Amino acid sequence: ELKVEQNPLFLSMQEGKNYTIYCNYSTTSDRLYWYRQDPGKSLESLFVLLSNGAVKQEGRLMASLDTKARLSTLHITAAVHDLSATYFCAVDMNRDDKIIFGKGTRLHILP
Amino acid sequence: EPEVTQTPSHQVTQMGQEVILRCVPISNHLYFYWYRQILGQKVEFLVSFYNNEISEKSEIFDDQFSVERPDGSNFTLKIRSTKLEDSAMYFCASIGLGMSFYNEQFFGPGTRLTVL
Repeated sequence: ELKVEQNPLFLSMQEGKNYTIYCNYSTTSDRLYWYRQDPGKSLESLFVLLSNGAVKQEGRLMASLDTKARLSTLHITAAVHDLSATYFCAVDMNRDDKIIFGKGTRLHILP
Repeated sequence: EPEVTQTPSHQVTQMGQEVILRCVPISNHLYFYWYRQILGQKVEFLVSFYNNEISEKSEIFDDQFSVERPDGSNFTLKIRSTKLEDSAMYFCASIGLGMSFYNEQFFGPGTRLTVL
């Protein structure tokens, strides 16, 4: 059974600091997703990582994937308050398969 | 840009009542999904649907749940007799499966179901 684990689950950080969220998954997969969710809102797709060594960056967020280690990271550079949200990583086994989500990392950035 | 839509955005119902949550997937998509998210928790898979039948369902998707694609555009989730623990945000998603390996599920905005 595919399992996805994120850590930390809660993160409070100061503006301007850097931090990394980690996502481990239990079974071989070449497809990993990062989503952002604001309170009461839907899931906003941030990144889709499709191969080993994939790295994608958007603004202050950078995601990477190591399929051999079954690990993805979401790195936040010089955090700003607007990045406060819950971030989910998720994995699927095949392109038409269900997506399995981690528990999410609730990120709170203090001004 | 095409998007998945869901109605209603918020549904309040009494325990034991039937509810139908509606989704309109992106028009050329072939696979459809329902997920739910209990407040403050992770998103959980409920069911996938392809070619007018269920492809896979989770343990959560018991006999009280059913899905239907009644008219070629809508995709519905019915809960026959709601329980308090059915209170959650329900997300619909769809995927097109084109020629590219890159196929991403597109999520709707969600329906918040509150069971009193």
